[in-house]
Amino acid sequence: DTGVSQDPRHKITKRGQNVTFRCDPISEHNRLYWYRQTLGQGPEFLTYFQNEAQLEKSRLLSDRFSAERPKGSFSTLEIQRTEQGDSAMYLCASSLVGTGNNSPLHFGNGTRLTVT
Amino acid sequence: DQQVKQNSPSLSVQEGRISILNCDYTNSMFDYFLWYKKYPAEGPTFLISISSIKDKNEDGRFTVFLNKSAKHLSLHIVPSQPGDSAVYFCAASGRGAGSYQLTFGKGTKLSVIP
Repeated sequence: DTGVSQDPRHKITKRGQNVTFRCDPISEHNRLYWYRQTLGQGPEFLTYFQNEAQLEKSRLLSDRFSAERPKGSFSTLEIQRTEQGDSAMYLCASSLVGTGNNSPLHFGNGTRLTVT
Repeated sequence: DQQVKQNSPSLSVQEGRISILNCDYTNSMFDYFLWYKKYPAEGPTFLISISSIKDKNEDGRFTVFLNKSAKHLSLHIVPSQPGDSAVYFCAASGRGAGSYQLTFGKGTKLSVIP
């Protein structure tokens, strides 16, 4: 299976700790996205990369959040000084754009974060 | 301010019958719409999309209808199967199929009863 892979699947952390999530997109995709989903809501856009460049950030992405995609392949999302309100499912997605046949977003299975 | 609304949190349908899931949007700049299906403990899976230049798109058992004047779209599943039981999300974007930012509704949980 060459879908979007996320690690870990679950993370429980204490308030104030830092956490880092990893996403491996579909290999030929040039765009990588991070979304967040809380209970009873649809996914909400956080940020996206075109190759290694981070081109857009949502206002939902506070200063405690940082995302990287150093070589245009995998990405990491770090949350510093976690708060209980950060508890959510963090979804990564990827797509291929700009080749004349844009693909829809393909999502991974997410990382469920619980901040206690 | 919810720009994409799925007003039915849940829907139950008998196997073999038609399932109709509805979605309304408020942002007239949206020009591309998608439906995703989500099983528990999995990420959303793309089902079908439609551009605002069309009013219907069909893929096998799934058909999406778009009514731009009413800012309304619907997903029809015919015939419904037990494996279709999942949460369905409607999503929209304002920059066509190459958009990076999708706005999702809250989802409708479909239960197909054998």
